[in-house]
Amino acid sequence: GAGVSQSPRYKVAKRGQDVALRCDPISGHVSLFWYQQALGQGPEFLTYFQNEAQLDKSGLPSDRFFAERPEGSVSTLKIQRTQQEDSAVYLCASSSDRADTQYFGPGTRLTVL
Amino acid sequence: AQKITQTQPGMFVQEKEAVTLDCTYDTSDPSYGLFWYKQPSSGEMIFLIYQGSYDQQNATEGRYSLNFQKARKSANLVISASQLGDSAMYFCAMRGLSGGYQKVTFGIGTKLQVIP
Repeated sequence: GAGVSQSPRYKVAKRGQDVALRCDPISGHVSLFWYQQALGQGPEFLTYFQNEAQLDKSGLPSDRFFAERPEGSVSTLKIQRTQQEDSAVYLCASSSDRADTQYFGPGTRLTVL
Repeated sequence: AQKITQTQPGMFVQEKEAVTLDCTYDTSDPSYGLFWYKQPSSGEMIFLIYQGSYDQQNATEGRYSLNFQKARKSANLVISASQLGDSAMYFCAMRGLSGGYQKVTFGIGTKLQVIP
């Protein structure tokens, strides 16, 4: 079956622009996670959804970051007024349950100029 | 709070040899899970192996095995018969299992290079 997919794979934005990153989880997976991975670092948790409910957004670095999953499937991570420090790879993961193994997508590499 | 420590920034191994990647962890949770992921240059995080804190035996998945030493709080990954395709970043991670949902914490990773 299909794995987690993310689009776009690469995004270049000028400082101050808004960006939207999309994640398609594995079909039937109720839990969805977003991570930010800076160069040379491990992934850092951003936010977690159980179906359409955002149950944990404690990792979002600022109020410029917003995530949604309106129908409990596809999720979008939006970053408003991008800054250079937002440059990173954004990884999406899904699991069949909140405690189950997470399966990751290929990530979106965001570069803010 | 949870913490994962990977002290080897880079490792080299000869093709067909075995290699051990170190991971130590710290948590106050009595029940937890430990994971290893592989991240090739393409960027995707690939799940390799899982160990539960109460599992009686060390986990194995093909050429991957997890050397779990609970008293030492270590969860080292052993890759046997290394292949060129094993060259990648390897991340150790953990999640507490008590009290419902808990986020996954990752280490900083170890870069493995397999030499022909």
